[in-house]
Amino acid sequence: AQSVAQPEDQVNVAEGNPLTVKCTYSVSGNPYLFWYVQYPNRGLQFLLKYITGDNLVKGSYGFEAEFNKSQTSFHLKKPSALVSDSALYFCAVRPTGGGADGLTFGKGTHLIIQP
Amino acid sequence: AAGVIQSPRHLIKEKRETATLKCYPIPRHDTVYWYQQGPGQDPQFLISFYEKMQSDKGSIPDRFSAQQFSDYHSELNMSSLELGDSALYFCASSSPPVNTEAFFGQGTRLTVV
Repeated sequence: AQSVAQPEDQVNVAEGNPLTVKCTYSVSGNPYLFWYVQYPNRGLQFLLKYITGDNLVKGSYGFEAEFNKSQTSFHLKKPSALVSDSALYFCAVRPTGGGADGLTFGKGTHLIIQP
Repeated sequence: AAGVIQSPRHLIKEKRETATLKCYPIPRHDTVYWYQQGPGQDPQFLISFYEKMQSDKGSIPDRFSAQQFSDYHSELNMSSLELGDSALYFCASSSPPVNTEAFFGQGTRLTVV
C-alpha cells in the first residue's frame, strides 16, 4: 500500500522569502505525485504533478516541485512567497497503472506567510 | 470553465437517518472519485468509478454505497448515519489517460446530530 508523509504540520515563512513544503512517499513501482492546495472551507485545487520526465515540474501560481527518486521525495517550492499563499497544502500519490485508483494524501502542511 | 458540481453544499441529518450526496463531473470526464475529510484530517479515499463501473474501493463503510449513472453523474448514499460521519465529502473527476490529475468539487459538508 502507498503512503505519503508530510513531516511538518506548519511552515512559517516571511513574505518574499523562498518556501519549501516537504513530502516523502512510499509506493511500489513508479508513482504519480501531486500537490493540492486547500483554502478554508473550499475544495482542493490542483497545483502540479509529476508523472515522468524532468524531475523539476512547474505548476500554478509560481510553485514548483522536485522529484527525487533516491530520496523518495517530492518537495514543493516557491522562490518568493506571497501572503496569499497561506493555505493548507496536501501532497498525494497514486500508483502507476492504477486506472481510476484513488489518491493517498499526506496529513497536510499549513503554510503561513507572514507580511 | 465548468467545474465539478456537488449538491447539496450543506446537509444536516440526525443519527440513523439516510443521506444522498450528488456529484456532477466536469463534461467529458468519465472517472469519479469520492473522498471523506474529517475535521482537521486529510481526505480519505472512499470509492471511484470509471465508465459507470466501480473501479477502486477505499475506506468506505458498508453503510455507504455509490453508483455512477449513464450521464456520468454519481451519487453517494449513506445510511444509518453516525455522529462520526460528520465530515466534508468531496467528489473529484478526471479524464483519460489515467495519469491526469483529478479536479475536486467544493464539497458537501455533512453534519450528523
